[in-house]
Parts: sequence; structure tokens; C-alpha cells
Amino acid sequence: KNQVEQSPQSLIILEGKNCTLQCNYTVSPFSNLRWYKQDTGRGPVSLTIMTFSENTKSNRRYTATLDADTKQSSLHITASQLSDSASYICVVILTGANNLFFGTGTRLTVIP
Amino acid sequence: EAQVTQNPRYLITVTGKKLTVTCSQNMNHEYMSWYRQDPGLGLRQIYYSMNVEVTDKGDVPEGYKVSRKEKRNFPLILESPSPNQTSLYFCASSFRRSTYNEQFFGPGTRLTVL
Repeated sequence: KNQVEQSPQSLIILEGKNCTLQCNYTVSPFSNLRWYKQDTGRGPVSLTIMTFSENTKSNRRYTATLDADTKQSSLHITASQLSDSASYICVVILTGANNLFFGTGTRLTVIP
Repeated sequence: EAQVTQNPRYLITVTGKKLTVTCSQNMNHEYMSWYRQDPGLGLRQIYYSMNVEVTDKGDVPEGYKVSRKEKRNFPLILESPSPNQTSLYFCASSFRRSTYNEQFFGPGTRLTVL
């Protein structure tokens, strides 16, 4: 069964600290994996898109990694800011299909 | 500004009263879709459209209808809303159906059915 699981469900960190969010998936055949940031009450916004051949991709303070062998991805946030408080959603896309599989997200709260 | 817009943003209605949530994009995207987001379940696709007059069911289409008469608009229709359709709805669009095209999401419509 195609599934995307994220951990932790929620996370609270101090401003300025780093954190890492995890995404494990069983989706196959895999095309690409995306991380989205969703602020409360708003639509998701794309952070990174990685194909199966990419191991890492960065977008400012966000760095996503992908291990297609173990079917794991992580999103590392460096020097967190209050504006990083949001839900982070991992999405895995099947090859040759429209099927997107969404994780349930990690709710990150950055406190001063 | 390139964007996906939805209206209304918030809606409270009663069971059985037909409603339409509009979605419009100004990026000349071919592909549009509707999702609902519920706590603990993540986003689930309701319907999608690959181009004008081409629509297909997603994972949870029951109780919903869509139409794509124009490229920029993709309204979601609830003919007879029920309380289990209380949810947060997102419209999204991308250039094509390709798995590599980024999807742009609208701001969401929070629907409550009493």
C-alpha cells in the first residue's frame, strides 16, 4: 500500500536552533518527492522538489535529503526563525501518473 | 501576480443547500485539482482536470461535482452538502499534468456544514 509517514507529528524548538523533520514512504514506482510549507490558514507552498537521482537540495535555510534506497527523506531547517512556525508536508509522486501521496505533516512551532 | 484564488474563503451553510466554491488561476495552467484537508488525514484529492472539458475523479469524489468550461476556472460544486463535508478545501494548478510540474495552491476555503 502506498503510504507517506512523517515524524514527529509536532515539534517545538527555540529560535535560532536547527531541526530535522522525517518522511518515510512506501510509494512505488517513485518519481519525485516534494516538501511543502503550510502556514496556518493558508495553502501549501513548495520548498523543494527532488527526483529519485537527487540526494540533496537546498532552498535558503531549508535542506532536503533523499535516500531512494531506504525510501526516506528529511528536511533540515537551519537557524530557525519565528516565521518557520508552520506545518511541513512531505508529498511523494508516482512515476507516470497523477497520483500524489501526502503525508499528514509535522507541525513546527518556533518560540523566542 | 501569478496566483490561484478561491472564493469564498469561509462559508457556513446548512445540510442540503447547494453551494459552489470558485477557483481561478492566472498562470495559463492546463492542470487543476481540488483537495480537502482534514485533521490527521492530510490532503486528499477530490477531482482533477487535465484541460478544458476534461475532468476525472480523485480519491474522494463522492458528493462533489466539478466543471472546466474555461482554462482559468475550476469550480467545485456541492449539490447537497452534508456535515461530513465540513473541511478545508484547496484548489491547485500546475502547467501540465507532468509529475515534475510544481503545483500552486490557493489560500483555502474553510467550509462548515451544519
